[in-house]
Amino acid sequence: DTGVSQDPRHKITKRGQNVTFRCDPISEHNRLYWYRQTLGQGPEFLTYFQNEAQLEKSRLLSDRFSAERPKGSFSTLEIQRTEQGDSAMYLCASNTASGTSTDTQYFGPGTRLTVL
Amino acid sequence: QKEVEQDPGPLSVPEGAIVSLNCTYSNSAFQYFMWYRQYSRKGPELLMYTYSSGNKEDGRFTAQVDKSSKYISLFIRDSQPSDSATYLCAMRNTGGFKTIFGAGTRLFVKA
Repeated sequence: DTGVSQDPRHKITKRGQNVTFRCDPISEHNRLYWYRQTLGQGPEFLTYFQNEAQLEKSRLLSDRFSAERPKGSFSTLEIQRTEQGDSAMYLCASNTASGTSTDTQYFGPGTRLTVL
Repeated sequence: QKEVEQDPGPLSVPEGAIVSLNCTYSNSAFQYFMWYRQYSRKGPELLMYTYSSGNKEDGRFTAQVDKSSKYISLFIRDSQPSDSATYLCAMRNTGGFKTIFGAGTRLFVKA
């Protein structure tokens, strides 16, 4: 399967704990995105990378959130000192971007986080 | 006011019906319009992708974009129970990186 993969698929944690999620994009895609989706809502943009550079961060991404893409391939999203309000589906997407043409984004299956 | 408005439903139809889903938006800079299908507890799956105004057809699915009215639609012909899912409209600027999603419409197709 050459689609976007995410790990873990589900994570249950206690408030105050740190969690880390991983995303492996489609191999030839140079852009990688993180979104958050809460129940009954569409995905909301959090941040994106072009290769290893993090080029944009949403105001939704508080100081407790950090994302990396160290070698321009997989990415990690870490949440420190989790709060119950962090409970959501965290989605990763990828695409290619060259010149003025931007392909649409392809999504992974998501990581569902539950903070108790 | 949200940039993209979408009726969350739920919308319940009998098998074989024609389904009409739609979204309105406020940002006239949007040029790329997408429809995603999302099954429960899964990631969104791209269904249709349209650039600027016009119609696009793919099998039982037709996407329409009316930029003058800032209104997009997805039609599903001969709906099947397997079409039961949440349908998300999404849009983006030219050269933009951030996709803005509607809240999604839950569709139930009854056998």
